[in-house]
Amino acid sequence: EAGVAQSPRYKIIEKRQSVAFWCNPISGHATLYWYQQILGQGPKLLIQFQNNGVVDDSQLPKDRFSAERLKGVDSTLKIQPAKLEDSAVYLCASSLAQSPSYNEQFFGPGTRLTVL
Amino acid sequence: AQTVTQSQPEMSVQEAETVTLSCTYDTSENNYYLFWYKQPPSRQMILVIRQEAYKQQNATENRFSVNFQKAAKSFSLKISDSQLGDTAMYFCAFQTSYDKVIFGPGTSLSVIP
Repeated sequence: EAGVAQSPRYKIIEKRQSVAFWCNPISGHATLYWYQQILGQGPKLLIQFQNNGVVDDSQLPKDRFSAERLKGVDSTLKIQPAKLEDSAVYLCASSLAQSPSYNEQFFGPGTRLTVL
Repeated sequence: AQTVTQSQPEMSVQEAETVTLSCTYDTSENNYYLFWYKQPPSRQMILVIRQEAYKQQNATENRFSVNFQKAAKSFSLKISDSQLGDTAMYFCAFQTSYDKVIFGPGTSLSVIP
């Protein structure tokens, strides 16, 4: 079974530039998550989708971050414009359903973003 | 608000020995789930073990076991017969029903040959 795919794996940009990350979840997984993991910290949820609807985006800095999951499959996370403090690993995860009984999240390899 | 604390930023253990990683959490909820995730260097995060709060029996997965103390809000992970492949960041995580997962800051574990 193919895992969660993310691209690119690494990205270096200047501050105020834009960047986009892509995630393809495990086939059949209804729930998709984007996390931000700053060095030395645990992952922090940015946004959670159930199919193509947003379940939780309470910690998403909406003035600069946006995400979409068209057709309820793959997803794109965008930052525009980037700030130095956005340097982090962006993790995508997916799970079969939103129910906690089946809520094992499967993580992708992450995209390491460096903002200079 | 729910919080997860891991008081050991770094730990090391000799190969084949046993190590225990600590985790405490704070919640007013009665029903919830607790997890330990492993994140090896430059590799994907994977679930190690899960505990449902309503279950009194501690979860076990091969060499990994937990000590769940609900009253103390403590959830420690014991790794027996440590192997070099256990070297990783370990994150304790917490979730109430239909709510987001809250991760702790992590413990970096090094297994020394």
